[in-house]
Amino acid sequence: GNSVTQMEGPVTLSEEAFLTINCTYTATGYPSLFWYVQYPGEGLQLLLKATKADDKGSNKGFEATYRKETTSFHLEKGSVQVSDSAVYFCALSDPARQAGTALIFGKGTTLSVSS
Amino acid sequence: EAGVTQSPTHLIKTRGQQVTLRCSPISGHTSVYWYQQALGLGLQFLLWYDEGEERNRGNFPPRFSGRQFPNYSSELNVNALELEDSALYLCASSPTGYSYGYTFGSGTRLTVV
Repeated sequence: GNSVTQMEGPVTLSEEAFLTINCTYTATGYPSLFWYVQYPGEGLQLLLKATKADDKGSNKGFEATYRKETTSFHLEKGSVQVSDSAVYFCALSDPARQAGTALIFGKGTTLSVSS
Repeated sequence: EAGVTQSPTHLIKTRGQQVTLRCSPISGHTSVYWYQQALGLGLQFLLWYDEGEERNRGNFPPRFSGRQFPNYSSELNVNALELEDSALYLCASSPTGYSYGYTFGSGTRLTVV
């Protein structure tokens, strides 16, 4: 079945450090891939997405490239800020919804950035 | 444009009681999804409604149920509450057949004591 695996957290960084959060997936067909962010006490917000191989999603300085050959969608940011402290979720969906599944999420990675 | 709204934001229930959570999707969205986010367990898919029908459910017991109304709003009902039902319940919506991301509400924090 479809699944998403994220690196275990927490990830602790100093302000302006480089961020990578690894995400790999297992899926049939050609899923769309997403990164969501959850700030403390809030729901999830869509951060970026990619719908086909080699697409690069980007938003707010974050980037992720859909790598079909390595089944990966790693999240990167060149210089993190304290305000980026949150939980980050990688997710996938089957555009055809043939399996009738909703978005499948990884377990989340907590990022803590200190000044 | 109003986002996905959920009510109530917080509630406390006693073990064995029943609870109803509500979700209003973004205008024009016909699919509603419910997720449970329990501490340490990530996001677990509960239910998916589309055009008034249940399309899929996750691996939860039958005491978790719900429905979708003609205006596409949705309710999640949990009967015979157990302590482990304490969690943040998140609702999301999307247009029918639109797999390119959901919009989430802020959630309902349920505490069972």
